[in-house]
Amino acid sequence: AQKITQTQPGMFVQEKEAVTLDCTYDTSDPSYGLFWYKQPSSGEMIFLIYQGSYDQQNATEGRYSLNFQKARKSANLVISASQLGDSAMYFCAKRNTPLVFGKGTRLSVIA
Amino acid sequence: DVKVTQSSRYLVKRTGEKVFLECVQDMDHENMFWYRQDPGLGLRLIYFSYDVKMKEKGDIPEGYSVSREKKERFSLILESASTNQTSMYLCASSLPRLGTGDHEQYFGPGTRLTVT
Repeated sequence: AQKITQTQPGMFVQEKEAVTLDCTYDTSDPSYGLFWYKQPSSGEMIFLIYQGSYDQQNATEGRYSLNFQKARKSANLVISASQLGDSAMYFCAKRNTPLVFGKGTRLSVIA
Repeated sequence: DVKVTQSSRYLVKRTGEKVFLECVQDMDHENMFWYRQDPGLGLRLIYFSYDVKMKEKGDIPEGYSVSREKKERFSLILESASTNQTSMYLCASSLPRLGTGDHEQYFGPGTRLTVT
């Protein structure tokens, strides 16, 4: 079965600093997509960013960017200039049929 | 904006009761999904549907069934609720990304079900 691994169950970051959340995956698919979602304490899942395996450049969406290393099968999420509102669970997911999710990383931003 | 709604945010039921969790999306999405989320286990797929009256088992379908009579509505049914079904239940819907087949999923707010 396809597997998504998020090795950091919890992380802390100082407000205004950058933080990297790790995600690795296994796949034999020649073409695939990777997603990151944020889940605040209220419970809803919010789509953040998408990376296609054949995209030439790493995806960016505002303060979010993906450090995509295809050969290493990793798609780490980088959040720049952390804000208190970034405190949440973050999930990495890969297109299978349908999405396969990692177990998540809980990020806490400290003032 | 895509909107996915779930019938209840919080629900308390007794063991053995039949439980219906309703999910409605308003963007004409073909695909709909039901997940449960438990601490340390992430999201696990229960059932999904790619079309009306169509359903596919996910990773943990045991003890659940689903119904999709209309495109916008996907119901999760617990035929006889048990305490190990106490969980957060998340519904999602999606359209494929153009040209890739990728499914960007939009989620509802979740239903926290407690079975006593």
